Amino acid sequence: KQEVTQIPAALSVPEGENLVLNCSFTDSAIYNLQWFRQDPGKGLTSLLLIQSSQREQTSGRLNASLDKSSGRSTLYIAASQPGDSATYLCAVMNRDDKIIFGKGTRLHILP
Amino acid sequence: KAGVTQTPRYLIKTRGQQVTLSCSPISGHRSVSWYQQTPGQGLQFLFEYFSETQRNKGNFPGRFSGRQFSNSRSEMNVSTLELGDSALYLCASSLVGGLAGDTQYFGPGTRLTVL
Repeated sequence: KQEVTQIPAALSVPEGENLVLNCSFTDSAIYNLQWFRQDPGKGLTSLLLIQSSQREQTSGRLNASLDKSSGRSTLYIAASQPGDSATYLCAVMNRDDKIIFGKGTRLHILP
Repeated sequence: KAGVTQTPRYLIKTRGQQVTLSCSPISGHRSVSWYQQTPGQGLQFLFEYFSETQRNKGNFPGRFSGRQFSNSRSEMNVSTLELGDSALYLCASSLVGGLAGDTQYFGPGTRLTVL
């Protein structure tokens, strides 16, 4: 059974620093992995989607990597800003067409 | 282009009642997925509809059901509500969904409170 874990559950970082969020999954037979951002009381916003054949995806200050063999993905945020404060979730799409989410990392950027 | 809309945004019900939530996808999107989000369990997949057919289903009891109309709008129904059904219910739409791996766009959610 696929399990997705995100550590740490919460993180506080001074503005301007680069940071890395981690996501691990137990079954490497995934179809893709997606990173989302959720602001309090709101829905999710898709940040980056990595297909299983890819190693990384970049969008602006965000870079997501995928290592299927080790069951890990990282989301790198460069030059963090207060507006980056949110909960970040990763989700894997299994080959049985089911999507499994991690419980998220709550990120707080200190001005 | 309008985003995904969900109605109502907030709902309070009592145990034993039933509830229907609505989701209107982005125009042109044919896949609609529903999720339940609680502090304890996190975000869990309920089901996905594509072209009016349920294509995939998570591990929820039969009290949770849904349907999709010809215009891709979807409804989710929960019967015989329990306290544990209190959650944020999110729907997401995508062009074709499933293993196509296209991006999902989420609505703001419906906050359901069961008393």
